[in-house]
Amino acid sequence: KQEVTQIPAALSVPEGENLVLNCSFTDSAIYNLQWFRQDPGKGLTSLLLIQSSQREQTSGRLNASLDKSSGRSTLYIAASQPGDSATYLCAVCGDNRKLIWGLGTSLAVNP
Amino acid sequence: GAGVSQSPRYKVAKRGQDVALRCDPISGHVSLFWYQQALGQGPEFLTYFQNEAQLDKSGLPSDRFFAERPEGSVSTLKIQRTQQEDSAVYLCASSLALGLAPVRETQYFGPGTRLLVL
Repeated sequence: KQEVTQIPAALSVPEGENLVLNCSFTDSAIYNLQWFRQDPGKGLTSLLLIQSSQREQTSGRLNASLDKSSGRSTLYIAASQPGDSATYLCAVCGDNRKLIWGLGTSLAVNP
Repeated sequence: GAGVSQSPRYKVAKRGQDVALRCDPISGHVSLFWYQQALGQGPEFLTYFQNEAQLDKSGLPSDRFFAERPEGSVSTLKIQRTQQEDSAVYLCASSLALGLAPVRETQYFGPGTRLLVL
């Protein structure tokens, strides 16, 4: 059974820092891995999708890497801003397109 | 363009009541998913439709939960005889379903319905 773990559970940093969020999964038979952002009381916003054959994806200040064989992904956020404060969720896509999720990392970027 | 919409946004139910949650996916999206997110947890898969066919309902927690998508567009998640443990945010997502394998497929989420059972 696929299990997804995210570390750390919570992170508080001053504005401007570069930071790394970690995601690990137990079954490497995935179609893709996705990073989402969730703001309080709101839905989920897709940030990056890495296909199983890819090693990384970039969007603006965000970079996500995937090492499928070791079951790990990292989300790198450069030059963090207070507007980046949110919960970041990692999900892997397996059988029947369903997403298996981690518990998330709650990020606070302090001005 | 319009995204995924869900209604109601908030629902308070007394224990034992039946509730119905609606999801309007993005027009033309073939796949539709329901997830349940308890407070402080990640979402948990409930069920998946491809057009009107329910291909996977393995995540539905009990036979009190029922989902349908009769015309392959709007979907309804129904919970009968609600219990306090059903309190959660119910998220709906849709995707285009390009090709046979979902390698490049992004799921687009609605804002969710927050259900509180008293």
